[in-house]
Amino acid sequence: DAGITQSPRHKVTETGTPVTLRCHQTENHRYMYWYRQDPGHGLRLIHYSYGVKDTDKGEVSDGYSVSRSKTEDFLLTLESATSSQTSVYFCAISGDRDIGNTIYFGEGSWLTVV
Amino acid sequence: KQEVTQIPAALSVPEGENLVLNCSFTDSAIYNLQWFRQDPGKGLTSLLLIQSSQREQTSGRLNASLDKSSGRSTLYIAASQPGDSATYLCAVNSGSGYALNFGKGTSLLVTP
Repeated sequence: DAGITQSPRHKVTETGTPVTLRCHQTENHRYMYWYRQDPGHGLRLIHYSYGVKDTDKGEVSDGYSVSRSKTEDFLLTLESATSSQTSVYFCAISGDRDIGNTIYFGEGSWLTVV
Repeated sequence: KQEVTQIPAALSVPEGENLVLNCSFTDSAIYNLQWFRQDPGKGLTSLLLIQSSQREQTSGRLNASLDKSSGRSTLYIAASQPGDSATYLCAVNSGSGYALNFGKGTSLLVTP
């Protein structure tokens, strides 16, 4: 299994509070991603990173920000959580696309906003 | 925008049957296609990755094919077992933003 650790794994928070989810990898992979998974929508990309301090928006980036100060860590922040952000969040990593670009997923972080 | 569709959404088969899961995509300009398995409450596990230049990949009882021109991929599972019960997801790498576009998955139940 790829070395990906997400924290926290489960969190309940109140509307309007900031929340940060952390993804830590031990594979030294270049690319890191944050997805959310919701019934009826499948997996949707929030943000991704293609190197330290290099990030870009995905399909559903509104209300989220990210940071990557080290190769191994990719943080997802909900500046002011809303009930629509209740979801399962998955971090993923992949290596250089020229060598196959298999993507590996973490175990997920269950977030409930009440 | 790449759209990925998986049919059927759910499937129930008796143990021992061979089965086929389908994935279609709208833009044939892809880098690769990947099949994943997801167990309830868990993350995704990569099963097979097919590069755009390949026609199929095999791993054990699993065989995935790719027909770029028609925008289709199939995942064939031979001699299904109850342990194969899970949701199977198809994802396409179109090269745009280095990210994958996912289908909504096929939920498979294999009954003893």
